[in-house]
Amino acid sequence: EVQLVESGGGLVKPGGSLRLSCAASGFTFSGYSMHWVRQAPGKGLEWVSSISSYGTSIYYADSVKGRFTISRDNAKNSLYLQMNSLRAEDTAIYYCASPRVGAYDYWGQGTLVTVSS
Amino acid sequence: EIVLTQSPDTLSLSPGERATLSCRASQTFSSNYLAWYQQKPGQAPRLLVYGASSRAAGIPDRFSGSGSGTDFTLTISRLEPEDFAVYYCQQYGNSPRTFGQGTKLEI
Repeated sequence: EVQLVESGGGLVKPGGSLRLSCAASGFTFSGYSMHWVRQAPGKGLEWVSSISSYGTSIYYADSVKGRFTISRDNAKNSLYLQMNSLRAEDTAIYYCASPRVGAYDYWGQGTLVTVSS
Repeated sequence: EIVLTQSPDTLSLSPGERATLSCRASQTFSSNYLAWYQQKPGQAPRLLVYGASSRAAGIPDRFSGSGSGTDFTLTISRLEPEDFAVYYCQQYGNSPRTFGQGTKLEI
């Protein structure tokens, strides 16, 4: 059974940092790109970042470029998102997602990040 | 960036009725890489349709996707009580991947 489990969310002050993790199981993690998608409270979905299967290609949404860093450890079947210089508008549920069919066929349960003083 | 506009914002129907949800793109994108997701409160989105018309694994056949170019449709042939949720379209043919704003399907 495919499972994606996020962790690392919480309350952080503006300007602070947080590192999210996503533990994957049930599929060949190193065979697929991985993505982060977020959803602000009561709002729609926003793609945040993606990383290719071996980390050679990395992309970011303009809204997080220069502040967030995506990475992965295929030996640990894990995906990460280092978030620095956090802003109130980064408050959201952050999902890791696997696009094994191109679209996101598997999602984690999400981890809530709240940026507030 | 490709903008996806979904209509209507809210659709009020009853169980047993047919639902038609629309997604229009601001420009064409690669290979009709258009997906539909269903999201219920407190849950992660669930993939329904990818490649504009291919049903994802385990999705009932009352859900069908169609369209090409810039106009796409998700049809739910006979609504079941569990189908009332928010539906999002997404294009994954061009970078950045973008989502529509969502259509809320309510009873």
